[in-house]
Amino acid sequence: RKEVEQDPGPFNVPEGATVAFNCTYSNSASQSFFWYRQDCRKEPKLLMSVYSSGNEDGRFTAQLNRASQYISLLIRDSKLSDSATYLCVVNSDSNYQLIWGAGTKLIIKP
Amino acid sequence: GAVVSQHPSWVICKSGTSVKIECRSLDFQATTMFWYRQFPKQSLMLMATSNEGSKATYEQGVEKDKFLINHASLTLSTLTVTSAHPEDSSFYICSALVGGLGNQPQHFGDGTRLSIL
Repeated sequence: RKEVEQDPGPFNVPEGATVAFNCTYSNSASQSFFWYRQDCRKEPKLLMSVYSSGNEDGRFTAQLNRASQYISLLIRDSKLSDSATYLCVVNSDSNYQLIWGAGTKLIIKP
Repeated sequence: GAVVSQHPSWVICKSGTSVKIECRSLDFQATTMFWYRQFPKQSLMLMATSNEGSKATYEQGVEKDKFLINHASLTLSTLTVTSAHPEDSSFYICSALVGGLGNQPQHFGDGTRLSIL
């Protein structure tokens, strides 16, 4: 089993729709969780950290479920510019290293 | 916010050439930097953790003699791909940890696309 797993997609979603995807992690001791966005042939950019109580940033909502060991990302009112690969990232214990999922590709269609 | 500059952004060179990639933290000091490699349609893979003033820690399967890392100052880490071959062609990205806190996100350079002919 991979340490961090994501559905690779692609998710083809019409503009304006709501889309959600999950990411599962295997290490129950993981402490920090992030969603990054990566555009084609570019470096990853931090989208948002994921807090235990869940958090929202505009159209984006992130949630953490420790019992089931997954995090989720919800995008409301999707825009064409939301098309990208979304990478789930988990901190491995206390050594600062990040474990990356392979990413979920999202395509927003007009 | 924290800015990480990576240079060069694109390198094309002949097989057997050594290539140096620089990663600089522009407005903060980074005691820890990370070097990643990403092949097409794959996730980022950590190559090594670079600590200022000490030897880098390499991930399993990464040849330390081939991928030389130097972190001589708090704002600069370099990765040198020695005697590069076509299979080394990849997207190399550095990141820096702000404040030395493990629960903080990392800030990434723009990446270097390396193509070995």
